[in-house]
Amino acid sequence: GAGVSQSPSNKVTEKGKDVELRCDPISGHTALYWYRQSLGQGLEFLIYFQGNSAPDKSGLPSDRFSAERTGGSVSTLTIQRTQQEDSAVYLCASSLFGAGWGRGTQYFGPGTRLLVL
Amino acid sequence: GIQVEQSPPDLILQEGANSTLRCNFSDSVNNLQWFHQNPWGQLINLFYIPSGTKQNGRLSATTVATERYSLLYISSSQTTDSGVYFCAVDLRIAGGNKLTFGTGTQLKVEL
Repeated sequence: GAGVSQSPSNKVTEKGKDVELRCDPISGHTALYWYRQSLGQGLEFLIYFQGNSAPDKSGLPSDRFSAERTGGSVSTLTIQRTQQEDSAVYLCASSLFGAGWGRGTQYFGPGTRLLVL
Repeated sequence: GIQVEQSPPDLILQEGANSTLRCNFSDSVNNLQWFHQNPWGQLINLFYIPSGTKQNGRLSATTVATERYSLLYISSSQTTDSGVYFCAVDLRIAGGNKLTFGTGTQLKVEL
């Protein structure tokens, strides 16, 4: 696609429910990233995919958070048993792979605004 | 981990004024990006600038990697420039680029 797309745009859920957030990266981008933006914490890295594997999951805040990527394209971030502190904007980004000039530039989607009541 | 500091945290300008935003980082990085987050929350790429100087219209950026800082210049500001400006640095991880963001500069341009 022309840009990174994310769905849903907004999600309101009740505490304790599971949610799935979707990211569709720019066509041809092999690297995919999830970030979270919250009032108290700013923009934080969550997880990085290269193809279908996740070499770095260091930013996932707890074991309630998981992510997968299939076919080297679409990724899903799942939050189980949501808590109020999970309320934030979840942003996805994608980039080309490699060390060449500009190949690491990350392009961001519009985000999913999650509100846990 | 690496620290990224931005200044000033807040800035109010009259339309037409110029400004300089600064980003300091605490360690060597592979590259640096500047973003504008518009009022709707979209992060818009401004520059990919691990070193040197780039210009794009009324915006320009300079990174001095050896001294661990980057500057974003906005000239002849317009109300549409309002929003939050972030710099982010990347620590190469297994070929990828994990971005660490600064806390941002909130810019408001008034008529």
